[in-house]
Amino acid sequence: AQTVTQSQPEMSVQEAETVTLSCTYDTSESDYYLFWYKQPPSRQMILVIRQEAYKQQNATENRFSVNFQKAAKSFSLKISDSQLGDAAMYFCAYSSFSNSGYALNFGKGTSLLVTP
Amino acid sequence: SAVISQKPSRDICQRGTSLTIQCQVDSQVTMMFWYRQQPGQSLTLIATANQGSEATYESGFVIDKFPISRPNLTFSTLTVSNMSPEDSSIYLCSVMRTGTTGEKLFFGSGTQLSVL
Repeated sequence: AQTVTQSQPEMSVQEAETVTLSCTYDTSESDYYLFWYKQPPSRQMILVIRQEAYKQQNATENRFSVNFQKAAKSFSLKISDSQLGDAAMYFCAYSSFSNSGYALNFGKGTSLLVTP
Repeated sequence: SAVISQKPSRDICQRGTSLTIQCQVDSQVTMMFWYRQQPGQSLTLIATANQGSEATYESGFVIDKFPISRPNLTFSTLTVSNMSPEDSSIYLCSVMRTGTTGEKLFFGSGTQLSVL
């Protein structure tokens, strides 16, 4: 089974600064997707960014970008110009068709604190 | 994106009773997923529900405890049966949408279940 590891239980960043959340995964497949989800206290799971494994170009969504290193099986999330509203739990997730038809395998999450 | 309505948003139940959670999607989807998030933990896949077939359960989850219905392509229910305090969790439904940029998975707002 594919595993997803987030080694940082908690991270802190000052407002307007940049922070990077780490994620590594283990798989023998070549075709898969990687995701970052944000879960604020409201418990809603919000899709932040998505990366297809076959694409070499790193995905970006406004202030959010990833550093996808396929050979190293690494998928880190960079948040630029951090805002107070970015404070939440961030989950890295893996998906592939062979994984219960694109179901998600989640890491344990990283709690991000944003200080003024 | 997908509009997913999940009900109830929260409930407090007595030991030994059952609760049915509903998930309604704004348009037809092939695959729906049910997840459990225990307190302070990550999300774990309970089962995958396809219309017209029996749900596929992950290891550690059984149909007698978590029966699932999928009567059409926009609706699914998850029942938590014969509840115990260990079932206190957030339960989330998720759907996969295939767009021009590939597959994305979206979540309902979750059901916070507390069992006394």
